[in-house]
Amino acid sequence: GNSVTQMEGPVTLSEEAFLTINCTYTATGYPSLFWYVQYPGEGLQLLLKATKADDKGSNKGFEATYRKETTSFHLEKGSVQVSDSAVYFCALGKTSGSRLTFGEGTQLTVNP
Amino acid sequence: GAGVSQSPSNKVTEKGKDVELRCDPISGHTALYWYRQSLGQGLEFLIYFQGNSAPDKSGLPSDRFSAERTGGSVSTLTIQRTQQEDSAVYLCASSPTLPSGANVLTFGAGSRLTVL
Repeated sequence: GNSVTQMEGPVTLSEEAFLTINCTYTATGYPSLFWYVQYPGEGLQLLLKATKADDKGSNKGFEATYRKETTSFHLEKGSVQVSDSAVYFCALGKTSGSRLTFGEGTQLTVNP
Repeated sequence: GAGVSQSPSNKVTEKGKDVELRCDPISGHTALYWYRQSLGQGLEFLIYFQGNSAPDKSGLPSDRFSAERTGGSVSTLTIQRTQQEDSAVYLCASSPTLPSGANVLTFGAGSRLTVL
């Protein structure tokens, strides 16, 4: 079946540090890949997505590239801010609409 | 409405009682999902409704859990004879059905259930 594995957290960084949160997946076919973010006290919201191999999703300075050869979708940001402190979830979904399978989430804390 | 609305936002109940959680999806969204988020855990899929198709109930943890979606809109998740391990945040999400590509889910703020 489909599964998503994220790097274990929590991750603590200083402001302006480089961020990588690893995500690998197992799926049949060609899933779409997503990163969702949950800010403190808020609901989950889509951060970025990629729908086919070699696509790069980007938003708010975050980027992730769909790597089929390594079945990965690592999240990166060159310079994190305190406001990026949140829980980040990697997810995959099959085409034509279906449920999303989520990773366990990675808690990121950015200190000033 | 503008977003996915869930109620109640918080529910405290005694072990053995039944609870109902409500989700009002975004108007026009044909797909509706229920997930559960336990403390320190990821998102656990519960059930998925897609239009008039039979729902995907494969994530429901036991027969104490059930859900229905009336008129293709509002959904109710019912937990019977609640147990302490049912304590979690229950998240509802909805999405449109696009001709291609997996759907982007819009989540509600969740219903926090505490079973004493």
